[in-house]
Amino acid sequence: GESVGLHLPTLSVQEGDNSIINCAYSNSASDYFIWYKQESGKGPQFIIDIRSNMDKRQGQRVTVLLNKTVKHLSLQIAATQPGDSAVYFCAEITGNQFYFGTGTSLTVIP
Amino acid sequence: DTAVSQTPKYLVTQMGNDKSIKCEQNLGHDTMYWYKQDSKKFLKIMFSYNNKELIINETVPNRFSPKSPDKAHLNLHINSLELGDSAVYFCASSPPPGTGGTEAFFGQGTRLTVV
Repeated sequence: GESVGLHLPTLSVQEGDNSIINCAYSNSASDYFIWYKQESGKGPQFIIDIRSNMDKRQGQRVTVLLNKTVKHLSLQIAATQPGDSAVYFCAEITGNQFYFGTGTSLTVIP
Repeated sequence: DTAVSQTPKYLVTQMGNDKSIKCEQNLGHDTMYWYKQDSKKFLKIMFSYNNKELIINETVPNRFSPKSPDKAHLNLHINSLELGDSAVYFCASSPPPGTGGTEAFFGQGTRLTVV
């Protein structure tokens, strides 16, 4: 079956620094990759997605990079803020099936 | 307006009981899902339901069954609850593939505790 995994289960960064969260995936046939943010007591919320035929996509303070050669996905958060503290998940979409990886807990230190 | 709503938010019940969690989406999406999130925050897909087509994760016990009275609802029934069923259950919905949307919208979750 599909396998989506993250390298680091926890990450602590100073407020104002940039954060990088990494994800490895195994299914080369996935159509899209998505990053979700889950705050405590809430459901996951969409951050940004990237099609499988793209290498990079930028949003507001976030950038997703896709390296299909090594099946690696990363989420970069610029100028990390306390409100960015949450668990971040990568997910791959094949057809209309969403497969989530193990989350990374990001803690922003004021 | 809440896009995906599920009830109840908290559910505490004894082993052996049968319970249901309700989910409704007002987004007009064709596909709905149920996910289980364990204590380590891992999100595991249980079911996806699209235009009466049910895709079941084979690892899900048959004590769990989704029921869809209409396109906007996908309820989760659980029979003979076990301690290991304690988790947070999330309902989600998404637009059909190829329509330009990739985002799955999640409900706020139902924390199930079996005692």
